[in-house]
Amino acid sequence: KNQVEQSPQSLIILEGKNCTLQCNYTVSPFSNLRWYKQDTGRGPVSLTIMTFSENTKSNGRYTATLDADTKQSSLHITASQLSDSASYICVLQGGADGLTFGKGTHLIIQP
Amino acid sequence: SQTIHQWPATLVQPVGSPLSLECTVEGTSNPNLYWYRQAAGRGLQLLFYSVGIGQISSEVPQNLSASRPQDRQFILSSKKLLLSDSGFYLCAWSSDRDYNEQFFGPGTRLTVL
Repeated sequence: KNQVEQSPQSLIILEGKNCTLQCNYTVSPFSNLRWYKQDTGRGPVSLTIMTFSENTKSNGRYTATLDADTKQSSLHITASQLSDSASYICVLQGGADGLTFGKGTHLIIQP
Repeated sequence: SQTIHQWPATLVQPVGSPLSLECTVEGTSNPNLYWYRQAAGRGLQLLFYSVGIGQISSEVPQNLSASRPQDRQFILSSKKLLLSDSGFYLCAWSSDRDYNEQFFGPGTRLTVL
């Protein structure tokens, strides 16, 4: 069964600092990997989408990387802001299961 | 531009009562539509998806049902709610289930007491 494991489960950092969220997966092959941001009580919003052949994709202060050899993806947030406080969800599309969602990393930015 | 609406935003219902959550999409035709549930501390779980009017596929056996009476309307229902039905319900749409991005609605917080 396809799996997507995210780490850490939760993370607290100070405003202005950088952080990196991890996503390990077993889905293979896959067509794309997505990172979503979900504010508390809201629906997820897409941050980045990468195909299996891409290594990196940026969206403002968010940069996603993909290493297909180690089956890992990371989301790096630069110069964090209070509005970055949210859950970040890694999602893979591929295989018989269609979409496989990670449980998310809950990020808290403290002033 | 496309928009997706869900209502109500929050709902508190007693065990055994019926349920009806509605989702509508604007600005697109023949979308693929999805219902997800997100329980506390857990990932998104796909409940139902629909590729057209009257076409519903269920991903997991459960106490819920879905219907698509119109092209851009997706309804999640239950005849008798269980405590375990509590959660955050998300509707999403995509232009193609296999290749394109899914866009999520604002969600409905359901609490069953």
